[in-house]
Order: sequence, then structure tokens, then C-alpha cells
Amino acid sequence: GNSVTQMEGPVTLSEEAFLTINCTYTATGYPSLFWYVQYPGEGLQLLLKATKADDKGSNKGFEATYRKETTSFHLEKGSVQVSDSAVYFCALVANSKLTFGKGITLSVRP
Amino acid sequence: EAGVAQSPRYKIIEKRQSVAFWCNPISGHATLYWYQQILGQGPKLLIQFQNNGVVDDSQLPKDRFSAERLKGVDSTLKIQPAKLEDSAVYLCASSLVQTAPGAEAFFGQGTRLTVV
Repeated sequence: GNSVTQMEGPVTLSEEAFLTINCTYTATGYPSLFWYVQYPGEGLQLLLKATKADDKGSNKGFEATYRKETTSFHLEKGSVQVSDSAVYFCALVANSKLTFGKGITLSVRP
Repeated sequence: EAGVAQSPRYKIIEKRQSVAFWCNPISGHATLYWYQQILGQGPKLLIQFQNNGVVDDSQLPKDRFSAERLKGVDSTLKIQPAKLEDSAVYLCASSLVQTAPGAEAFFGQGTRLTVV
């Protein structure tokens, strides 16, 4: 079946630090890949996505590249802000099914 | 554009009681999902509808959980009887058509259920 594996958290960074959150997946066929974010007190919302190999999704300074050869979709940001503190979920859609990873909590301190 | 609406936002019940959650998806969205999110875990799909037909309910505990989507619009999720381990946030989401590559799912705020 389909699955998404995220690195263990939580992650605490200082403002302006570089961020990498690892995500790998297992899926049949050619999945679409997503990062969703959940800010405190809010619902899940799409952060970025990629639909085919070597696509790069980007939004709000975050980027992730669809790597088919390593089945990965790592999330990166060059300089995090306090407002980026949230829970981040890697997810995929394969065979019309949306599957999430466990999520990782990011805390950014001033 | 209105988002996905869920109610109630919070619910506290005793074990063995029953509870129902309601979801109104974004207008025109054919696909509707119910997810269970236990604290510290990622959302787990309970059931997926395409219009008013069930696409996937393989992880729905059918002895106690039921869901329906009448007329392919609103949906209700019911638990009867509830157990302590059902304490979680129940998320409803919708998307236009899930078969389209990259189709985004839009989530409601969720219902936080506490079973005591």
C-alpha cells in the first residue's frame, strides 16, 4: 500500500536558520506529492505540491523537489521565521487516495 | 469562496454514548473525506466518497462508525458506541476530483472529540 515516512520531530530552530524536513514515500504508480501545514488553531492547508518527477513545488519561501529515484520530497526553506512555527505534513495521492505522514512540529524562536 | 464547514468544533461524551459530526464541503466538490487525527499522529483516512458513493472505507471500524453522504453534498459521521480510544480530531476535507493529478484537498477546522 501507499505510505509516507517523515523524519522524527519536533524541530526547534532559531529565526533565519535553514530548514530541511525529510520525507520519503512508497506508492504504486506515479503519485502526486504534497506538503500540508497546520498553524496553531487552524485547519490543514496546502503549502506546496508537485505532480511529476523533478517538479519543484514552492510557496512562501518553502521548496520541495519530487525525486523519483530516491522516492523523496524533502521540504526546505533558506531562512525560517517565527511565523513558520506549525505542524508540517508530507502527503501523497496515488490511486485517488490521499495518504499522510505523521507530521512534524516546527518551533522557531526569535 | 466558502471553505469546508464542520460542526461541532468540540464535543465531550462518555464512553458508550453516541455522537455525530457534520460536514458541508466546498460547493461543487465531488470528493469528500473523513480523517481521524489522534494526537501526535498524521491524519488517518476513515472513509472517502465520490459524490454519494463510497470509494474507500477500508479503515472505518464498521462495528461502531458509520458515515453517509446524502445527495452527494453534506456528510455525517457517527460513532455508536464511543470508546476511549476514539478521542481524536475528526477532519473533513473535499476536493474537486481526486483523480486529477495534484488535485488539492481543502480541510475544515475539525471536530475535537473527547471520550471520558
